[in-house]
Amino acid sequence: DQQVKQNSPSLSVQEGRISILNCDYTNSMFDYFLWYKKYPAEGPTFLISISSIKDKNEDGRFTVFLNKSAKHLSLHIVPSQPGDSAVYFCAATNFGNEKLTFGTGTRLTIIP
Amino acid sequence: EPEVTQTPSHQVTQMGQEVILRCVPISNHLYFYWYRQILGQKVEFLVSFYNNEISEKSEIFDDQFSVERPDGSNFTLKIRSTKLEDSAMYFCASTSGGISYNEQFFGPGTRLTVL
Repeated sequence: DQQVKQNSPSLSVQEGRISILNCDYTNSMFDYFLWYKKYPAEGPTFLISISSIKDKNEDGRFTVFLNKSAKHLSLHIVPSQPGDSAVYFCAATNFGNEKLTFGTGTRLTIIP
Repeated sequence: EPEVTQTPSHQVTQMGQEVILRCVPISNHLYFYWYRQILGQKVEFLVSFYNNEISEKSEIFDDQFSVERPDGSNFTLKIRSTKLEDSAMYFCASTSGGISYNEQFFGPGTRLTVL
């Protein structure tokens, strides 16, 4: 059941550059999308979300883009900082449906 | 900043034993969840709980699993007879509902090891 896919298991980016993490989904019923960040031995931490009525949402260094026709979303982090090194999970749900469906995660490493 | 807490951080048990994983959600939150993550796999939904009853559960959440909110602050997950394949990180989450309905806040997790 791969309703939410993150095809890049890992990504390395130079400090100060832009990090772009990608996520694809197959279930057209999803209408709300979230990004979580996870450090080892900690729970996922909410970063940013976007509703399907928008195509962009920005919060500081983090911007999420949604392309509904392609069923694709991306998270941009700019500028990337060493503390951004973590595993990033994309998650999707129906607004009003409580269950979050997660992707497999992308391990981001920021190189100083 | 308010946070979800979970105890214990690590639980080791023998196959067939019962375990109870405990969570204290954020105090004004109304919706509670359990997820698990088997090593190397994605985070999977187990169950959601609202107004003192289960509102949704996954196919993983079979008769061996139960949840309870025994008082105004704790939320527990019980596994009656653990199996080797129950070894995973178990995460509790909560949300207040309303405009931030789907922004679930997660605890640090309990690592369950079944021997």
